[in-house]
Amino acid sequence: DQQVKQNSPSLSVQEGRISILNCDYTNSMFDYFLWYKKYPAEGPTFLISISSIKDKNEDGRFTVFLNKSAKHLSLHIVPSQPGDSAVYFCAAIRNAGGTSYGKLTFGQGTILTVHP
Amino acid sequence: GAGVSQSPSNKVTEKGKDVELRCDPISGHTALYWYRQRLGQGLEFLIYFQGNSAPDKSGLPSDRFSAERTGESVSTLTIQRTQQEDSAVYLCASSFSVLSGANVLTFGAGSRLTVL
Repeated sequence: DQQVKQNSPSLSVQEGRISILNCDYTNSMFDYFLWYKKYPAEGPTFLISISSIKDKNEDGRFTVFLNKSAKHLSLHIVPSQPGDSAVYFCAAIRNAGGTSYGKLTFGQGTILTVHP
Repeated sequence: GAGVSQSPSNKVTEKGKDVELRCDPISGHTALYWYRQRLGQGLEFLIYFQGNSAPDKSGLPSDRFSAERTGESVSTLTIQRTQQEDSAVYLCASSFSVLSGANVLTFGAGSRLTVL
């Protein structure tokens, strides 16, 4: 049962344009969401997160939007740069009351390619 | 150390042999995860340790796979009688018991296992 889904395996964007990566989840108990970026031969690195009490979190060129009713989140990168080319994973967890419950569940990843 | 350390970084073994992969988490992190990424695939959850609680082993693909963790420190993932389909990058990650913008899951660089 794939509780976190990234339905687009790849995305190609021109440098300077906006990249939008999407993620859907099915478990309504998830209340904390993260995006990770992974370069080849490296471990994933944390990018940005959002709690379910918010619908938007912004950090520089990266913004994550959360639509709880649709169980959907998206990562916007603007402007996109060639160095952003990597695999992007969304992840979700139940993180209520100051304690994390259970494992962090990842989506399958989306390969982003930003062309110069 | 400052990060999550995994060893070996690369392991080539023959089918049928046993392998042991090691993970040194960040000091103070109570949660430890093992994931794997097979070629062209997403992050596949294997096992999760949280403090003194019973580990969540729901992701282990077969009884050939096992993992141990000593207290809140080192973990070893053991694969017995390796098969070619076990070839993957095995990723370890650790975190505090609660995830927030300041405390997130930190990954090691992974152990690349090749079974001939």
